[in-house]
Amino acid sequence: NAGVTQTPKFRVLKTGQSMTLLCAQDMNHEYMYWYRQDPGMGLRLIHYSVGEGTTAKGEVPDGYNVSRLKKQNFLLGLESAAPSQTSVYFCASRQGAKEAFFGQGTRLTVV
Amino acid sequence: RKEVEQDPGPFNVPEGATVAFNCTYSNSASQSFFWYRQDCRKEPKLLMSVYSSGNEDGRFTAQLNRASQYISLLIRDSKLSDSATYLCVVTKLTGGGNKLTFGTGTQLKVEL
Repeated sequence: NAGVTQTPKFRVLKTGQSMTLLCAQDMNHEYMYWYRQDPGMGLRLIHYSVGEGTTAKGEVPDGYNVSRLKKQNFLLGLESAAPSQTSVYFCASRQGAKEAFFGQGTRLTVV
Repeated sequence: RKEVEQDPGPFNVPEGATVAFNCTYSNSASQSFFWYRQDCRKEPKLLMSVYSSGNEDGRFTAQLNRASQYISLLIRDSKLSDSATYLCVVTKLTGGGNKLTFGTGTQLKVEL
């Protein structure tokens, strides 16, 4: 079982560039989440989705957009990257009130 | 006040010691509770769910106190391999769905 897969694993961007992070899950989960993790800050919720075609803002949504056109995929976009978006990004999925499963993370550096 | 608060540590303990972590949450409507483990530069992984009656999994015991709004994790007979960051996770149902909120984590270092 693949579980939750994130691509890419690593990326270096220049300020102002755009990119899309892909999260794919094969567990038929309804809920999907994007978090960023910074030293001393813990995991902070960027955006989340409660089902195909729906998205909602989390704690730190500014500078990011998301889409969930298919149930198994949740895309996170950075339209114009800034150094403050240097972070480790984690995607997670879950079903109902059960535990969440995480992808391996994407390490993004914006220079 | 943060929704979920944990002592960041680090907790440095000798191998074989018993160590306990606490976590407090602010929203009394919180539904589900978990402890996750995160190794350095890796993704968080479920350690155990936390049930109202308390639950045990080998050397690990989790407890929930809804009245005082805290959960705890007890690790007995610590191993070197237990060194990691332990994340407290609380969920609640909102108008926008079922949200997961993480504490900032408690770092454990088990030493020889």
